[in-house]
Amino acid sequence: GAGVSQTPSNKVTEKGKYVELRCDPISGHTALYWYRQSLGQGPEFLIYFQGTGAADDSGLPNDRFFAVRPEGSVSTLKIQRTERGDSAVYLCASSKDPRETQYFGPGTRLLVL
Amino acid sequence: AQKITQTQPGMFVQEKEAVTLDCTYDTSDPSYGLFWYKQPSSGEMIFLIYQGSYDQQNATEGRYSLNFQKARKSANLVISASQLGDSAMYFCAMSAYSGNTPLVFGKGTRLSVIA
Repeated sequence: GAGVSQTPSNKVTEKGKYVELRCDPISGHTALYWYRQSLGQGPEFLIYFQGTGAADDSGLPNDRFFAVRPEGSVSTLKIQRTERGDSAVYLCASSKDPRETQYFGPGTRLLVL
Repeated sequence: AQKITQTQPGMFVQEKEAVTLDCTYDTSDPSYGLFWYKQPSSGEMIFLIYQGSYDQQNATEGRYSLNFQKARKSANLVISASQLGDSAMYFCAMSAYSGNTPLVFGKGTRLSVIA
């Protein structure tokens, strides 16, 4: 079956602009996660959805970051007033439930100039 | 809080040989899962193997096995019969189940397989 998909695969933007990153999880997976991976590091947790609600958003670095999952499937990560330090790969993962294995998408490479 | 430590930034192995990638973890949760992921240069995180904290036997998946030593809090990945396609970054990760915590990753080990 289809895996986790993410769009766009690459995004270049200017400092101060707004960006949206999309994640389409594996069909039937109720848990959805966003992670951020900086160069040379492992992924770091941002936010976790169980169904439509954000069950844990403790990893969001500040209030410029926001994510939604209105129908319990596709999720959008939104970054306002982007800064150069936001440049990273943003990874999305999904699982059948929180205790099951997470499967990752290919990521979105964000570059803020 | 959970913590994963991978002390080998880079490893080399000859093709067809076995290699062990080290991982130690720290958690106060009695119930947790340990995972290994492979990240090739394309960037996608590929799930390799899972070990539950209460599993009695070490997990195996094809050429991958997880050497789980609970008392030492280690979960080393063993890759047998290395292939050139195994060259990639390898990440150890864990999740504590009491609070359905998200994955915590180590910094990774870059494995290079030499022909």
